[in-house]
Amino acid sequence: AQSVTQPDIHITVSEGASLELRCNYSYGATPYLFWYVQSPGQGLQLLLKYFSGDTLVQGIKGFEAEFKRSQSSFNLRKPSVHWSDAAEYFCAVGANTGNQFYFGTGTSLTVIP
Amino acid sequence: GAVVSQHPSRVICKSGTSVKIECRSLDFQATTMFWYRQFPKQSLMLMATSNEGSKATYEQGVEKDKFLINHASLTLSTLTVTSAHPEDSSFYICSARDPREAGEQYFGPGTRLTVT
Repeated sequence: AQSVTQPDIHITVSEGASLELRCNYSYGATPYLFWYVQSPGQGLQLLLKYFSGDTLVQGIKGFEAEFKRSQSSFNLRKPSVHWSDAAEYFCAVGANTGNQFYFGTGTSLTVIP
Repeated sequence: GAVVSQHPSRVICKSGTSVKIECRSLDFQATTMFWYRQFPKQSLMLMATSNEGSKATYEQGVEKDKFLINHASLTLSTLTVTSAHPEDSSFYICSARDPREAGEQYFGPGTRLTVT
């Protein structure tokens, strides 16, 4: 069965500290992996995506993610968090041939001064 | 990148009435659109897959007679919540596939539905 797990429901970090949000997936086909960010009451904004090639993917707002096939993981990282990064983060997996996206349950990020 | 719009962004309706939400792909033709529902502080749950010119495919547990989906053109899909009740209050998000781009979906900004 296809699924995405985000083990951390909520994370609090200090501004300027590094961040890593975890994402593990279970998918029968070659996965297409995504990270989205959602501010309260807003839609989803794509941070980055991985389809193939270099397993370290750079995204917007200084985010990056690394695809590790052996661990079925696609963790999101940022070296220095800004207060404006506080939001909900969703990992998603899809496929080229399949249509459906599977979303994780999300990780809520709080940034403290 | 491709843009998907939703209208309205917020709607309040009375219990028992119906409300229609539109999802448009603005700069590409979307043969497939998706409708998601999101409860507060929860993830997105796929409700249905909408294919242009054919009937929508609903996920298990989603009432197709309550959530009517019409994908009448390559740039427009509509979700009609019929006989709405307070428990239908939620955030509804649509997405669309650009067939020129493998694997990606573009998400609309969402519609906040409140049923009083």
